[in-house]
Amino acid sequence: DAKTTQPPSMDCAEGRAANLPCNHSTISGNEYVYWYRQIHSQGPQYIIHGLKNNETNEMASLIITEDRKSSTLILPHATLRDTAVYYCIVSRVGSGNTGKLIFGQGTTLQVKP
Amino acid sequence: GAVVSQHPSWVICKSGTSVKIECRSLDFQATTMFWYRQFPKQSLMLMATSNEGSKATYEQGVEKDKFLINHASLTLSTLTVTSAHPEDSSFYICSALTGYNSPLHFGNGTRLTVT
Repeated sequence: DAKTTQPPSMDCAEGRAANLPCNHSTISGNEYVYWYRQIHSQGPQYIIHGLKNNETNEMASLIITEDRKSSTLILPHATLRDTAVYYCIVSRVGSGNTGKLIFGQGTTLQVKP
Repeated sequence: GAVVSQHPSWVICKSGTSVKIECRSLDFQATTMFWYRQFPKQSLMLMATSNEGSKATYEQGVEKDKFLINHASLTLSTLTVTSAHPEDSSFYICSALTGYNSPLHFGNGTRLTVT
């Protein structure tokens, strides 16, 4: 699975949009981009995933560049409860494949009042 | 949404004893589950892939005789830490595939402390 690069930490003001970047320049054609987050002492929570089109759900939006080498997770109105470690993972899980998810170090997002 | 349940949520055991952790898929069948371990201030590390009805596949460096995995049914996988030692103290998390083209969902983890 392709490797991802994320900034180690970011701050965001409460109520503002949080934009979390991820580079995955070696992504291959059948690999999805997944985003999970982990709040302290809990299991990771699935947020969103996509292949090449932008995706939106009730939690977030995922913007994938046309060349698929990078993506941005957008939390439109961050709250204090969104403070967590956010992981961007590239994987073939979802391609009809029981592939595994390999976690990097993620981005620690601190939402401040 | 899909729910993965782990039990217990925390356990304290004495050095040399064995501990079993259960991972259940509550509203779906999971042919494949994954076990992770997470040390403080570190990321999740994949330990093994658990396949229903067959032997687990372990990641490099993970001792299969120490971390016994059994996936006897489509809704239950267990991880047994045998002869636990203090260095096995960690946060153990399982996950399961909810469908053929669906994402992994994770349990809430089990905090193991070996004294």
